[in-house]
Amino acid sequence: NAGVTQTPKFQVLKTGQSMTLQCAQDMNHNSMYWYRQDPGMGLRLIYYSASEGTTDKGEVPNGYNVSRLNKREFSLRLESAAPSQTSVYFCASSLGTSGYTGELFFGEGSRLTVL
Amino acid sequence: QQQVKQSPQSLIVQKGGIPIINCAYENTAFDYFPWYQQFPGKGPALLIAIRPDVSEKKEGRFTISFNKSAKQFSLHIMDSQPGDSATYFCAARANQGGKLIFGQGTELSVKP
Repeated sequence: NAGVTQTPKFQVLKTGQSMTLQCAQDMNHNSMYWYRQDPGMGLRLIYYSASEGTTDKGEVPNGYNVSRLNKREFSLRLESAAPSQTSVYFCASSLGTSGYTGELFFGEGSRLTVL
Repeated sequence: QQQVKQSPQSLIVQKGGIPIINCAYENTAFDYFPWYQQFPGKGPALLIAIRPDVSEKKEGRFTISFNKSAKQFSLHIMDSQPGDSATYFCAARANQGGKLIFGQGTELSVKP
């Protein structure tokens, strides 16, 4: 019963390097999200995808790109990493239909450090 | 801009105490207010949620109180236990688009 799986769990980058965080869910959910968690800032939405083939910006999209590869997978890419992107990144999914209750199912997070 | 403001940032209580975490929102276009619980090294998980047409909801030892006119809601944990030590996030869902906006989080420590 995997739920939401994120890879990698830990990553250290140098300023200017690029990387992609991968996320996959096996719950047949329609909506997927990327959040970042920083001390004192809570969880801030970076991008989300309400359904396969669509993506939208959240609160803090600058410096990131996303791809909804198929219904299961939603990746987050940092093209040129900056120290301000040091954070813990969470992928989440939800059913996202007309009966949407707001429950998000989160992965265990990816801790990224940019030097 | 943070549309959901949460306080306090951290909270320490003794076992059996009743910690209270407060949240206030600015946007009246929110239609669903969940609370998430996060243990160290884990992702947040839904704890309890309320809709704005209800003033209180209780599930076990956890209670949400909701004041629509004041645009505030709070989480109470009755008879708190060391196992309740976690970070708690309030959130609000926009009724247009369904995005969840989270508060800043409260790190709760329940001492034995």
